[in-house]
Amino acid sequence: DGGITQSPKYLFRKEGQNVTLSCEQNLNHDAMYWYRQDPGQGLRLIYYSQIVNDFQKGDIAEGYSVSREKKESFPLTVTSAQKNPTAFYLCASSMGLAESYEQYFGPGTRLTVT
Amino acid sequence: AQKITQTQPGMFVQEKEAVTLDCTYDTSDQSYGLFWYKQPSSGEMIFLIYQGSYDEQNATEGRYSLNFQKARKSANLVISASQLGDSAMYFCAMREGWGQGAQKLVFGQGTRLTINP
Repeated sequence: DGGITQSPKYLFRKEGQNVTLSCEQNLNHDAMYWYRQDPGQGLRLIYYSQIVNDFQKGDIAEGYSVSREKKESFPLTVTSAQKNPTAFYLCASSMGLAESYEQYFGPGTRLTVT
Repeated sequence: AQKITQTQPGMFVQEKEAVTLDCTYDTSDQSYGLFWYKQPSSGEMIFLIYQGSYDEQNATEGRYSLNFQKARKSANLVISASQLGDSAMYFCAMREGWGQGAQKLVFGQGTRLTINP
């Protein structure tokens, strides 16, 4: 079955540590995205990538970094510079550039930093 | 400024009734797209329906329809014959522009829908 995999589902880290969240898709989609969701809020775009080896900052990129070395993979690193990293992180992908293409989402990773 | 506004933090509806979830948007683009997603308690976002700004007909997908009023900048989701499984958070989202590469979606704050038996 095609889909998006995010691991792990729950992640706990100490303050000051970098942590990398995994996102893998086997949908053969060109574009991939990372969103952050805080309790009771909508999603906010962190980074997105249209093709391999290319990515752009979203609305809240500070304290985060990404890479896109393979079409299937788009890992997100939450660095120690991110002031409030505890949140629910969702990865998504879309087929291409057409306006009507919906984004498919993974199950999310809930990150808790103490 | 808020680009997507969902004014109903929570809605309670009896099973089998129809429900309308409100969404208003703000954009100066002529070309844009509007999406509705459902988020169950598991957290995954599920695509429900899409409306393009140039689409003349309101979008429909099974029990879901989108009441698109372009002049009022509203894109309300209508769920007919609600079911217990419809209980979830619902998000309205907008993509601005045309052919600008990857979709940059802007989400509203969401509406929590509870279906009562």
